[in-house]
Amino acid sequence: DAKTTQPPSMDCAEGRAANLPCNHSTISGNEYVYWYRQIHSQGPQYIIHGLKNNETNEMASLIITEDRKSSTLILPHATLRDTAVYYCIVRVPDKLIFGTGTRLQVFP
Amino acid sequence: EAGVAQSPRYKIIEKRQSVAFWCNPISGHATLYWYQQILGQGPKLLIQFQNNGVVDDSQLPKDRFSAERLKGVDSTLKIQPAKLEDSAVYLCASSLAAIPGDTIYFGEGSWLTVV
Repeated sequence: DAKTTQPPSMDCAEGRAANLPCNHSTISGNEYVYWYRQIHSQGPQYIIHGLKNNETNEMASLIITEDRKSSTLILPHATLRDTAVYYCIVRVPDKLIFGTGTRLQVFP
Repeated sequence: EAGVAQSPRYKIIEKRQSVAFWCNPISGHATLYWYQQILGQGPKLLIQFQNNGVVDDSQLPKDRFSAERLKGVDSTLKIQPAKLEDSAVYLCASSLAAIPGDTIYFGEGSWLTVV
């Protein structure tokens, strides 16, 4: 079973930051948090992952709380093309177990 | 860099027929995964290979599903005989090595409709 809990859906205005929360209260010390997104009819696209420290790349930022029980994916300037299902996944230990994700709708 | 390649992209078959899907992982990737994604759900792991050996096939319905990865590169997933509930997207993914912190990359998927 997936070790994460995400809200089923969220809305965000174009150009604003999208903050997607994820709870993973049973995460173990050596388990990474991964984020993927899936745009309709495409395969999951890797976004970012982290263990303890906050991470940033060209797509997004990942903020992990100090106790590692939750995290937030931040898309700094959402565009219409960011409309997708976003999956937060705790990797256990060498595979990804997907939940149902958060459907992010970016509106004009 | 070429991504994970899958074919066919779409397939429609009648129940009780057979179907095969092919996957070519990213060059040099030792670990290969097959996932099944039913409409409205997240992907579910079916089988994991490390080189040409099976690491985990606990979720593979072995009475009708089979998979192989000869020579540790390409892989095929077969369904025989197909049932209506097998209608789904079959996703192949690969990673350099099955270690924490490694990135797993997915292909575009093969869409199967069983009628």
